[in-house]
Amino acid sequence: NAGVTQTPKFRVLKTGQSMTLLCAQDMNHEYMYWYRQDPGMGLRLIHYSVGEGTTAKGEVPDGYNVSRLKKQNFLLGLESAAPSQTSVYFCASSGQGWQPQHFGDGTRLSIL
Amino acid sequence: SQELEQSPQSLIVQEGKNLTINCTSSKTLYGLYWYKQKYGEGLIFLMMLQKGGEEKSHEKITAKLDEKKQQSSLHITASQPSHAGIYLCGADIDGNDMRFGAGTRLTVKP
Repeated sequence: NAGVTQTPKFRVLKTGQSMTLLCAQDMNHEYMYWYRQDPGMGLRLIHYSVGEGTTAKGEVPDGYNVSRLKKQNFLLGLESAAPSQTSVYFCASSGQGWQPQHFGDGTRLSIL
Repeated sequence: SQELEQSPQSLIVQEGKNLTINCTSSKTLYGLYWYKQKYGEGLIFLMMLQKGGEEKSHEKITAKLDEKKQQSSLHITASQPSHAGIYLCGADIDGNDMRFGAGTRLTVKP
């Protein structure tokens, strides 16, 4: 049982490049989330989805876009990467109601 | 700004000692979650608290949510090196989306 899988695990980009981070979950969860984790800041929610075909903005959505075309997948896109987006990105999923979120192992993204 | 304040930011304890980590908000916490993170890895769910005054325990870890639902504590009894890591609290604040504290880094010296 894989749980939540994030790809890639590491990536280095140049300023202005674009890329997509992929999150896949095999627990049939309705809700999926993208966070970024920076030193001293904890986890901050970027975007989330409460079901296939739906997305919503979180605390720090600027510079990111997301899509949830399939229930099991949640994509995070950076259209024009900036050094301020250097971070560790975590994906999570959860069932409906008061359910804990299950996290992937993270993607370390560096933008030069 | 952090809507969830965790204290202390870091903690170094001798193996076998007890310790407490706090998570505080000025707003009502709905669904307070405690997670543990090891360096370079994802978050592992520990416990969830919902009701004011609720207390839960798992092995040597006990979490409490105060009656006003604005503060939670995580207590570890007889700490072991395996308890080392970063502890984060997360909560649905005022019925909005999830917020996390900045984390408490715990080191347990053998």
